[in-house]
Amino acid sequence: AQSVTQLGSHVSVSEGALVLLRCNYSSSVPPYLFWYVQYPNQGLQLLLKYTSAATLVKGINGFEAEFKKSETSFHLTKPSAHMSDAAEYFCAVSEAYSGGGADGLTFGKGTHLIIQP
Amino acid sequence: DGGITQSPKYLFRKEGQNVTLSCEQNLNHDAMYWYRQDPGQGLRLIYYSQIVNDFQKGDIAEGYSVSREKKESFPLTVTSAQKNPTAFYLCATTGGRRDTEAFFGQGTRLTVV
Repeated sequence: AQSVTQLGSHVSVSEGALVLLRCNYSSSVPPYLFWYVQYPNQGLQLLLKYTSAATLVKGINGFEAEFKKSETSFHLTKPSAHMSDAAEYFCAVSEAYSGGGADGLTFGKGTHLIIQP
Repeated sequence: DGGITQSPKYLFRKEGQNVTLSCEQNLNHDAMYWYRQDPGQGLRLIYYSQIVNDFQKGDIAEGYSVSREKKESFPLTVTSAQKNPTAFYLCATTGGRRDTEAFFGQGTRLTVV
């Protein structure tokens, strides 16, 4: 079974500071990993995804994430926070092989990113 | 434009009523999903469908029902058996391959009054 843990339900950073949102996953097979962003009362939008190519993945809006198999992590970073980055961020995992059970993505509980002026 | 349309955006339900949330897509995707979102709980899978006329229960299917009569449509009915239906509901699709991301609608906020 696959699972995702996002450390910190709320993260607060100052505008211009480094953003680091943590995601650890559990998967019995090679995973596909995703980060999504959600603004209030809207659907989720894909930021970036890891699908077994390069371990450092670049996404939209200056975000990137690094897949570390030894640490089972896929942390999301951005060098300099902007006020418009304030939103909810979700990490998700999809197993590479179908092993029965529920289909679709498994999501973490989300991290609310707060940007301080 | 290709995308997923959920309607209505806001929905109010009286106790004991069934309500149906609409999800339509023109992405030609095979797989469609319904998620429920509550504060601090992330997204929880209600039902999913990989193909027309077939669907499977997710983690929290009790009190919900779905149909998949057309590839483009995957409506969700919240029945009176769902004791705590107030939530944000998201419909999503994927192309069917596990390395492809999910595409989401804008959501429906259901409130029991």
